[in-house]
Amino acid sequence: QVQLVQSGAEVKKPGASLKVSCKASTDIFTIYGLSWVRQARGQGPEWMGWVSGQNGKTTFAQKFQGRLTVTTDTSTRTAYMELRSLRSDDTAVYYCASGYNRDAFDMWGQGTMVTVSS
Amino acid sequence: EIVLTQSPATLSLSPGDRATLSCRASQSVGIYLAWYQQSPGQAPRLLIYDASNRATGIPARFSGSGSGTDFTLTISSLEPEDFAVYYCQQRNNWPPAYTFGQGTKLEIK
Repeated sequence: QVQLVQSGAEVKKPGASLKVSCKASTDIFTIYGLSWVRQARGQGPEWMGWVSGQNGKTTFAQKFQGRLTVTTDTSTRTAYMELRSLRSDDTAVYYCASGYNRDAFDMWGQGTMVTVSS
Repeated sequence: EIVLTQSPATLSLSPGDRATLSCRASQSVGIYLAWYQQSPGQAPRLLIYDASNRATGIPARFSGSGSGTDFTLTISSLEPEDFAVYYCQQRNNWPPAYTFGQGTKLEIK
């Protein structure tokens, strides 16, 4: 069974940078890429960005343009999400999501809780 | 950016009832609309993709319909485990951009 395993919880100060990893048990994100999705407490999921596992091409939600970097290392089947200039409203659970479907996410990581607080 | 609006925000029903959840897109998304179920502390679980296709392992009581801007998720007869929050999600273009709706909470009446 394919799994996406994310790095552990983080506590960051405002203005700091965050890097979360997502390791796949197979080459799953070379098919349709991998997305990062976050979810603040009590809110719906929010798509942040996508990276191709074939050529490294990326797309981003407009609100994260310039502050978000998403990359993959196909040799280790690991994807990375880096978010800079953190604010308190970046406090959320961050998920990686991928799968065998171009239009939806049939596979999710377990989530990484990120707290931004002074 | 395409905005997805879900209604109602909360739906109160009893086990055995039929549930109908709506998702409206701010512009046409064709059939590229998915539905997810999320229970507390869990990642979203894909139920329906491409408007009407059930994901692997999803019971037949879940069905999706619609195209363009108006979509519906129907649960034919509610089981106790179906009381959760449901989200719709669309894909636009390739390379893709995705957005999610704000959710419908299905609660026990």
